[in-house]
Amino acid sequence: DGGITQSPKYLFRKEGQNVTLSCEQNLNHDAMYWYRQDPGQGLRLIYYSQIVNDFQKGDIAEGYSVSREKKESFPLTVTSAQKNPTAFYLCASSWSVTRSNQPQHFGDGTRLSIL
Amino acid sequence: DAKTTQPPSMDCAEGRAANLPCNHSTISGNEYVYWYRQIHSQGPQYIIHGLKNNETNEMASLIITEDRKSSTLILPHATLRDTAVYYCIVYNQGGKLIFGQGTELSVKP
Repeated sequence: DGGITQSPKYLFRKEGQNVTLSCEQNLNHDAMYWYRQDPGQGLRLIYYSQIVNDFQKGDIAEGYSVSREKKESFPLTVTSAQKNPTAFYLCASSWSVTRSNQPQHFGDGTRLSIL
Repeated sequence: DAKTTQPPSMDCAEGRAANLPCNHSTISGNEYVYWYRQIHSQGPQYIIHGLKNNETNEMASLIITEDRKSSTLILPHATLRDTAVYYCIVYNQGGKLIFGQGTELSVKP
């Protein structure tokens, strides 16, 4: 079945450490996204990518980095510069960033906590 | 992006229809209405979307008023597994889905 796979499901970060969250999709979608969700709050966009080797900052990109070397993969690195990284991270994909009638489909998320 | 207003919570009896309302009075002509739901500790699940006409799929129906200022998501025969937070979103490209507080639907036996 086609879908979006995020791993790991749970991740713990030590102070000063960078960690990378994996997101893989087999839907053949061109666009991919990373969101952050804090308890009781809505989703906030971190980064998005329309095509391979191109990505754009969202509303809260500081302290995060991404790469898009393959169409199906869009890993997110939470760097030590992100001072409040504890959150639920969600990856999504869609056919296009610019077509508003194409839904985004989400993975099941990675929950990141600080040790 | 237009803002949406939803009731914070609703109850529904199992097997009955769940009707979830959403107000989006500032919606623009080219903005779509999307519905997602999120079960605790899972990613949001896409349900349905529409522009002007009513829409139906295997999960739900979406009724959009003629002036497009409000809509209703209908789950025709709610089950316990439909218990979730339901989000109504108005979207017009750009990549960013803006999730509000949503409606917490509790389906009770």
